[in-house]
Amino acid sequence: AQTVTQSQPEMSVQEAETVTLSCTYDTSESDYYLFWYKQPPSRQMILVIRQEAYKQQNATENRFSVNFQKAAKSFSLKISDSQLGDAAMYFCAYRTPLLHGNKLVFGAGTILRVKS
Amino acid sequence: EAQVTQNPRYLITVTGKKLTVTCSQNMNHEYMSWYRQDPGLGLRQIYYSMNVEVTDKGDVPEGYKVSRKEKRNFPLILESPSPNQTSLYFCASSLSGTGFNEQYFGPGTRLTVT
Repeated sequence: AQTVTQSQPEMSVQEAETVTLSCTYDTSESDYYLFWYKQPPSRQMILVIRQEAYKQQNATENRFSVNFQKAAKSFSLKISDSQLGDAAMYFCAYRTPLLHGNKLVFGAGTILRVKS
Repeated sequence: EAQVTQNPRYLITVTGKKLTVTCSQNMNHEYMSWYRQDPGLGLRQIYYSMNVEVTDKGDVPEGYKVSRKEKRNFPLILESPSPNQTSLYFCASSLSGTGFNEQYFGPGTRLTVT
């Protein structure tokens, strides 16, 4: 079964600094998608960034970038120039087009605290 | 505005009292899904619907029912709620159930069963 592991329950970063959130996953599929979602205190699930497994180039969205290591099944999120508004729970998620139900498989989440 | 709406946003109920959480999307999406979020477990899929004709169980379907009578609505029904169904519930939709389609989430429903 596909699983997603986020080994850091909580992380802290100083405003304007860089932080990396870790994510590993387990799958036997070769074609799949990976996502990072942000959940602020409002509880809304916000898509931060996504990566298609067949693309070797790491995805980037403004201050957010990923380090996708397919062989190691690792998908970390780097937040540069951290801002107070980045404080949230971050979920790593996996999805395969062939997975029954097209479901997203989520990790347990990492709480990110941003210090001013 | 393209969105997924859920109602109610908060609900406190008692064991055994049937309830329905509504979900509606205005994006003409084929695929809809329900998740529950619990501390330390992330989000887990309850039920999904590929289209109005296909609905199936996710990973944690016990104690829940769904209905997809029309494309835009996908209500979640708890026939006899129990305290272990206390959770944060999310409805999500996407253009289709295949391919690289972003899933859009509703705002969540906080349910407490006493």
